[in-house]
Amino acid sequence: AQTVTQSQPEMSVQEAETVTLSCTYDTSESDYYLFWYKQPPSRQMILVIRQEAYKQQNATENRFSVNFQKAAKSFSLKISDSQLGDAAMYFCAYRSAGDDKIIFGKGTRLHILP
Amino acid sequence: DAGITQSPRYKITETGRQVTLMCHQTWSHSYMFWYRQDLGHGLRLIYYSAAADITDKGEVPDGYVVSRSKTENFPLTLESATRSQTSVYFCASRTQGEGLSAYYEQYFGPGTRLTVT
Repeated sequence: AQTVTQSQPEMSVQEAETVTLSCTYDTSESDYYLFWYKQPPSRQMILVIRQEAYKQQNATENRFSVNFQKAAKSFSLKISDSQLGDAAMYFCAYRSAGDDKIIFGKGTRLHILP
Repeated sequence: DAGITQSPRYKITETGRQVTLMCHQTWSHSYMFWYRQDLGHGLRLIYYSAAADITDKGEVPDGYVVSRSKTENFPLTLESATRSQTSVYFCASRTQGEGLSAYYEQYFGPGTRLTVT
């Protein structure tokens, strides 16, 4: 069975600094998708970034980028120039290309220090 | 309003009572999902549905019942609520996608906070 592990329950970063959130996953599949979701205090789940496993290039969305290491089964999220609005719970998630279901990690709560 | 909505947003109920959480989406998405979110567990899938009248169990289905008589609605019923079902419940939907490996985004509702006393 596939699993997603986020080893950092909480992290803090100074405003304007860069922070990296870690995620590892376990799968025997070769075709899959990886996601980072943001959940601010409003509870709304917001897709931050996604990565297709067949793409070697790391995905980037403005200040958010990933470091996708397929062989190591690692998928970290880097947030550059951290802003107060980035404070949230972040979930790493996985979906096999042939499956209907998304598997979530337990989340990392990110605090932004002014 | 277009999108995916959940009602109620907050609910307090007593142990043993039946409670139904509603989910409605306006996109005519084929797939709908119910998750529960608990501290230390992230989001766990309860049930999902690939189309009207087709439902399947997820990771934690015990104690829950779902139905999907209409594409746009996917209610979740706790037939006899227990304290362990105190949680935040999220509904989500997505399109069917084209091809086995097609990407499709999953959209989440705003969540329902349920407290069972």
